[in-house]
Amino acid sequence: DTGVSQDPRHKITKRGQNVTFRCDPISEHNRLYWYRQTLGQGPEFLTYFQNEAQLEKSRLLSDRFSAERPKGSFSTLEIQRTEQGDSAMYLCASSLAYVRTDTQYFGPGTRLTVL
Amino acid sequence: SQELEQSPQSLIVQEGKNLTINCTSSKTLYGLYWYKQKYGEGLIFLMMLQKGGEEKSHEKITAKLDEKKQQSSLHITASQPSHAGIYLCGADHVSDYKLSFGAGTTVTVRA
Repeated sequence: DTGVSQDPRHKITKRGQNVTFRCDPISEHNRLYWYRQTLGQGPEFLTYFQNEAQLEKSRLLSDRFSAERPKGSFSTLEIQRTEQGDSAMYLCASSLAYVRTDTQYFGPGTRLTVL
Repeated sequence: SQELEQSPQSLIVQEGKNLTINCTSSKTLYGLYWYKQKYGEGLIFLMMLQKGGEEKSHEKITAKLDEKKQQSSLHITASQPSHAGIYLCGADHVSDYKLSFGAGTTVTVRA
C-alpha cells in the first residue's frame, strides 16, 4: 500500500524566488489537504481539495500561495516571491472523505528554507 | 492552535515507566485524532476517538475521550525508546474537514 508522497523532501531557495511542491495522495483518496508546520508548533491548515475542487483556503494562504489539483489526483503548492517567513515544513494529507471522520494520512513533508 | 492545549510541552521518562499526555479543547470535539511525529518527518496516525467516553488501545498506547468530549488523554504503558517522538492531538471541531492541532508534546525515553 503506497502512502502519501511529497516531492521534494527539502528545498533551499533564495528570497524572492518561486518554488513548487508536489503531493501524491493515497490512490482513491478524493480529499487532499495542505498544512504548514513551523518549529515547535503543530500543523496549521492551509487549504483542501475534494477531487479537483478547492473547497476552502485559510487566511494563512496569502496571494503569493496557490494550490492546484487539476485532475483530482496529485496536487501542487506554489509559493511566489518567497520570503524568509515562508520557511517551514509543508505537509500534505489525504483522506477518503466518504464519512465525516475519515482519517487524514500525512506525507513525509517538504522542508522549505528561504535564505 | 489556541483551540487546543496540550500538556506537558515535553517530558522525559525512564524506559519502562508510564506516561500520560493531555489534550484540552476550548470547543466540543466532533473527533479527536492522535498522531506521532519524528523530528523533521511527517505525521503517523495513531488513533481516532469520536464518542464521549470512548477508549481505544493499540499495543501499549491507550487514548481516551472524556464524556463531555472536550478533553483527551494519551497513555503509554512501560515506555520504550521507540515511543520517543512528538505526539500531536488534532481536533475536528465543527462541520468542516480541516484539523486543528495542538503544539505537540515531545517525549524522550531514557534507557
